[in-house]
Amino acid sequence: QQQVKQSPQSLIVQKGGISIINCAYENTAFDYFPWYQQFPGKGPALLIAIRPDVSEKKEGRFTISFNKSAKQFSLHIMDSQPGDSATYFCAARSNILVGGTSYGKLTFGQGTILTVHP
Amino acid sequence: EAQVTQNPRYLITVTGKKLTVTCSQNMNHEYMSWYRQDPGLGLRQIYYSMNVEVTDKGDVPEGYKVSRKEKRNFPLILESPSPNQTSLYFCASSLTSGPRYEQYFGPGTRLTVT
Repeated sequence: QQQVKQSPQSLIVQKGGISIINCAYENTAFDYFPWYQQFPGKGPALLIAIRPDVSEKKEGRFTISFNKSAKQFSLHIMDSQPGDSATYFCAARSNILVGGTSYGKLTFGQGTILTVHP
Repeated sequence: EAQVTQNPRYLITVTGKKLTVTCSQNMNHEYMSWYRQDPGLGLRQIYYSMNVEVTDKGDVPEGYKVSRKEKRNFPLILESPSPNQTSLYFCASSLTSGPRYEQYFGPGTRLTVT
């Protein structure tokens, strides 16, 4: 079964620090790697994403680093703020064939609960 | 406002009592999915629908049914709920499932089966 392994399960960071969440995968056919952010009582929402032909993508304080040869990617949150406290999921997209038509499927990691202390 | 809605948000039921969780989206999206979220297991796909009348099993379909009679609605049916289906459920939709695949999630339904 296709898997995406995410670590750590939980992370506590002081305000202003750097939060780092890591994900690893096996399937080299994955072609898109998004990160989703989920606040308590809400559904996940797309935060940032990267394609495998790029090694890094930055959006504000959030950066994805992608290592294709190691089959790993990570989310870095610079200058972490209490408002960043949430659950973060990495994911990877693959193609599946259904009745001769190709569709995308997202496989999610196990999630990381980030707490940023003031 | 573009959104995915789910009802009910909270549900406590007993083993064996059939229930339906509704999901509706107003974004004219083709692709819809149901996930369950459990601690330490992340989000696991239950069923998905590529368009009206076309559905297929995800990774954990046992004990669930779905239907897609209209583009906007994708209800999740538990014919005979069991305690191991106690979980947080999310419906999601997307315009396509192509290379820049973004799913929009509903607010979740917390289900407890006793």
